[in-house]
Amino acid sequence: TQLLEQSPQFLSIQEGENLTVYCNSSSVFSSLQWYRQEPGEGPVLLVTVVTGGEVKKLKRLTFQFGDARKDSSLHITAAQPGDTGLYLCAGPGAGSYQLTFGKGTKLSVIP
Amino acid sequence: GAGVSQSPSNKVTEKGKDVELRCDPISGHTALYWYRQSLGQGLEFLIYFQGNSAPDKSGLPSDRFSAERTGGSVSTLTIQRTQQEDSAVYLCASSPPGQHGTQYFGPGTRLLVL
Repeated sequence: TQLLEQSPQFLSIQEGENLTVYCNSSSVFSSLQWYRQEPGEGPVLLVTVVTGGEVKKLKRLTFQFGDARKDSSLHITAAQPGDTGLYLCAGPGAGSYQLTFGKGTKLSVIP
Repeated sequence: GAGVSQSPSNKVTEKGKDVELRCDPISGHTALYWYRQSLGQGLEFLIYFQGNSAPDKSGLPSDRFSAERTGGSVSTLTIQRTQQEDSAVYLCASSPPGQHGTQYFGPGTRLLVL
């Protein structure tokens, strides 16, 4: 079973600060995805990274896939209260169609 | 267009009762998935439907759990003789043909077993 470990588990920061959260595994993944989940809602896909070393930007969010395709990071610049939520990373699971998820990083951005 | 819808949004039941959870996927999406999200845990895969093929039930935690998908669209997840450990958020997702990596999630059903 491929496991994804996310850190930190909880993060509380002030508006305007920068932050990085991590997703690590001992296994190689063909791709990794990042989702954001807000209270009472399902996860929403933010990005998919597929190439080792790949960097993708989505406004103030920067996603990086490790060269060995075993880890990924999400960096948020100048965090805003609207960034508050649970950030989940996910990769292909045992079947090519199912996803295996990390436990997530719960981010709180304080105004 | 409409996203994935799930009902009920919340369900409180007594231990030992049966519950049915419904998922209505995005129109045209051939694949449908059920996941369970327990407090402090990541999403756990339960079952996968693809068109008219036999479902992959490998993630169902016990024989008290079953699911069906009628007409290739709406799906129902049934939990018989509910236990307190079944309390969780049950999420449904669907994906377009050939795009298993792009899963659109519904808002979930929050199940509380007393």
